[in-house]
Formats: sequence, structure tokens, C-alpha cells
Amino acid sequence: DAGVTQSPTHLIKTRGQQVTLRCSPKSGHDTVSWYQQALGQGPQFIFQYYEEEERQRGNFPDRFSGHQFPNYSSELNVNALLLGDSALYLCASSYRDGGNEQFFGPGTRLTVL
Amino acid sequence: DQQVKQNSPSLSVQEGRISILNCDYTNSMFDYFLWYKKYPAEGPTFLISISSIKDKNEDGRFTVFLNKSAKHLSLHIVPSQPGDSAVYFCAASRGTNYGGSQGNLIFGKGTKLSVKP
Repeated sequence: DAGVTQSPTHLIKTRGQQVTLRCSPKSGHDTVSWYQQALGQGPQFIFQYYEEEERQRGNFPDRFSGHQFPNYSSELNVNALLLGDSALYLCASSYRDGGNEQFFGPGTRLTVL
Repeated sequence: DQQVKQNSPSLSVQEGRISILNCDYTNSMFDYFLWYKKYPAEGPTFLISISSIKDKNEDGRFTVFLNKSAKHLSLHIVPSQPGDSAVYFCAASRGTNYGGSQGNLIFGKGTKLSVKP
């Protein structure tokens, strides 16, 4: 049973560029959440997708957007990259009506130069 | 303003002894709490959770205690093993009608646990 998978593993971009990160949830999960983890900090909630709609959103600007596909996989898009967007981006999946723990992927390390 | 605080950046414990990791929260609307463990180059791994209707939850070597009046929770690991060495994150969220987390997890900054043989 595959867990949460994310691609790519690492990414280097320059300021002003756009980036797309991808996530496949754990088998049987229908809800995907995205988090940003800066160095030395805990993960910070970006948004959550369920039934292909954004259900909850954290305190992140509109430059951060997402999408969920019918197979429950998800993308995180970041436009107009800033140096401060450099971080580990974590995807977590869960089963909404199961109600409990989110399972995290290994993350995508984004470096903005 | 940090809503979930882990005031100890690091903790060192001898193998076989008890590890106690602490977490404080400020938002009284939180009613579901989780602990995650993170190894380098991996995503956080779920350890144990507790709903605010309980004050204790146990799973093998791991026990979480919740003191709602003090807005404090702790994770006890007994006995500690070298493989437990990792960064431990406390997280909190609003609960749901079906007993779990709403999903908007608020994390602390983590405590790095080192278990020495």
C-alpha cells in the first residue's frame, strides 16, 4: 500500500517564476492538505482540498493556489516566487469521514534564488 | 502569535528511561491534539492523538496526557529507545462531529529528542 507520494523531491527556481508541486494521497484517502515548513519551524497550513474544492485556507496570499483532481491527487501552484517561499512543502492526506490522522508525504524542497 | 508552543528545542534521555515532551496551547477552541515524529528527509509520521473529551490516551510505549484547564499536553515515551531519536511536533486543531480533526493543524516548532544508548 503506497503512502503519500510527492514530486519532485527538490526544485530550484528564481524569483518571479512559477512552480507546481504534485501530491498523490494514500490509497483510500479523499482529502489533501498542503503545508509549508520553513527551516527551524513547524509545518504551517496552506489549504485543504476535498471533493475538488478548497475547503479551508490558512494565512497565505493568493499567489498560493491549488487543485484537486477526480482521482484525489492534488497540485500546489505558487506564482511570482519570492525568496521567502524557500521551504519544504508537505502534502498530507486523510479520509474525511474517518476523521483522524493526516498522513504526510516526504515533501518537496523548494529553493528560490 | 504562536498558538502552539513547544518551549524545549531539545531533550536528551538515556535509553530505557522515560522521555517527556511538553506542549502548551493558547487557543481554547482547540479540541483535538496530535503528536508527530519526524526523521530528517522524511515527512512527519503520526504517533498518537487525543480528543479534548479525554485526559489520557495510550498506545504501546506512547502516552499523551491532556490538561485542558492548563492548556497543556505532554507525550511520555517509556521506555525510550535510540530509534526514538527524532524531532517531535505537537499539533492542534478544531475537532469534528465524528471525533477527528478538521484538518487545519497548527504545529509547534518541535522538540529534538536524542536517546543515548
